[in-house]
Amino acid sequence: QVQLQESGPGLVKSSETLSLTCTVSGSPMRSYYWTWIRQPPGKGLEWIGYGYVSGNTNYSPSLQSRVSISVDTSKNQFSLKLRSVTAEDTAVYYCAGMTTLDSFEIWGQGTMVAVSS
Amino acid sequence: SYVLTQPPSVSVAPSKTARITCGGNNLGSKSVHWYQQKPGQAPLMVIYSNIDRPSGIPERISGSNSGDTATLTISRVEAGDEADYFCQVWDASSERAIFGGGTKLTVL
Repeated sequence: QVQLQESGPGLVKSSETLSLTCTVSGSPMRSYYWTWIRQPPGKGLEWIGYGYVSGNTNYSPSLQSRVSISVDTSKNQFSLKLRSVTAEDTAVYYCAGMTTLDSFEIWGQGTMVAVSS
Repeated sequence: SYVLTQPPSVSVAPSKTARITCGGNNLGSKSVHWYQQKPGQAPLMVIYSNIDRPSGIPERISGSNSGDTATLTISRVEAGDEADYFCQVWDASSERAIFGGGTKLTVL
């Protein structure tokens, strides 16, 4: 059974970089496209982007200038970096996996990140 | 950019049928997926590729997609079905995921 677990700081200062890691168990890293999705409090889901073991990435146009996703097969992890954060980046951040570029079959439990001024 | 539109809320009495819609331009030509999210939990895929159910999802949950509207149907609604439901498509031209705004299902 594939399991995902997010980790990282729950509080980030405004203008700094948000960094999260997702640890994958139960699956080879090459089996999925690894993605990040976020959900501001009381709001809907927003796709952030994906990364693959090949190094291929793609990001939401609204975040593209500030975001990067990387995959580390040696650690069975993938990571999210979001630069120059503001209060609008406060959200629950989910890592998720897609076997094809279509639907999100597996999800982490999510981690809340608040941006403080 | 492509937009998916869902009603903010749907209410239904126990044992009745709930229908949650997702609208988009020529949506019937796309593959629509549905996620259920209960309070404090991560989303869970309940329908993929318009009509298919992942393992463990009960048969009373079904999906359809035609024209400009996809529909998630929950028959014999139970209290445990109360949740937010999100539709999603993958826009192949831009290689990005698009979510609907979500629908809160209330069981009366």
